[in-house]
Amino acid sequence: GDSVTQMEGPVTLSEEAFLTINCTYTATGYPSLFWYVQYPGEGLQLLLKATKADDKGSNKGFEATYRKETTSFHLEKGSVQVSDSAVYFCALSDNTNAGKSTFGDGTTLTVKP
Amino acid sequence: DVKVTQSSRYLVKRTGEKVFLECVQDMDHENMFWYRQDPGLGLRLIYFSYDVKMKEKGDIPEGYSVSREKKERFSLILESASTNQTSMYLCASRTSGVRVETQYFGPGTRLLVL
Repeated sequence: GDSVTQMEGPVTLSEEAFLTINCTYTATGYPSLFWYVQYPGEGLQLLLKATKADDKGSNKGFEATYRKETTSFHLEKGSVQVSDSAVYFCALSDNTNAGKSTFGDGTTLTVKP
Repeated sequence: DVKVTQSSRYLVKRTGEKVFLECVQDMDHENMFWYRQDPGLGLRLIYFSYDVKMKEKGDIPEGYSVSREKKERFSLILESASTNQTSMYLCASRTSGVRVETQYFGPGTRLLVL
């Protein structure tokens, strides 16, 4: 079945550092790929998405590129802020009518001033 | 804005109790999902529904059932709660169709079974 593997956390960075969170996937067909973010005490919310190979999703300074050849969707940000502290989930959607998603285990990011 | 609400943020129940978790969405979404979130295990799909009165098992349906009598409401039922069902429960919804659509999540219900 489908699976998503994320870089293990937790990750601790200083403010303005460069962030990479690795994500690789296994899927049949052509899934869509997502990054969700979960702030403390809240549910998940969409951060960015990409629907086909070589698409780049971006939002709030975060970026990720859909790499079919390496089955990866790594999340990057050039300069993190304290407010980026959260749990980040990589996910894929099977693009069927039901739209089931498979999630990675989540990576906890803490940014220190 | 899409809104997904869950009936409780925190619940404490005793082993053997019947537990109802309610989820309501206000965007006329066809598809609704129940997940549980546990440290180190990410989100695991319990059940989902793609229409009123329709349901499908997810990856970990054992010990749970669901009900969808109205389009906007999707209930998760623990018939006889056990301590290993202590977890964070997240509800989500999305519109149907093969075009790419985001899932919208509720704030979660943290359930403690004693």
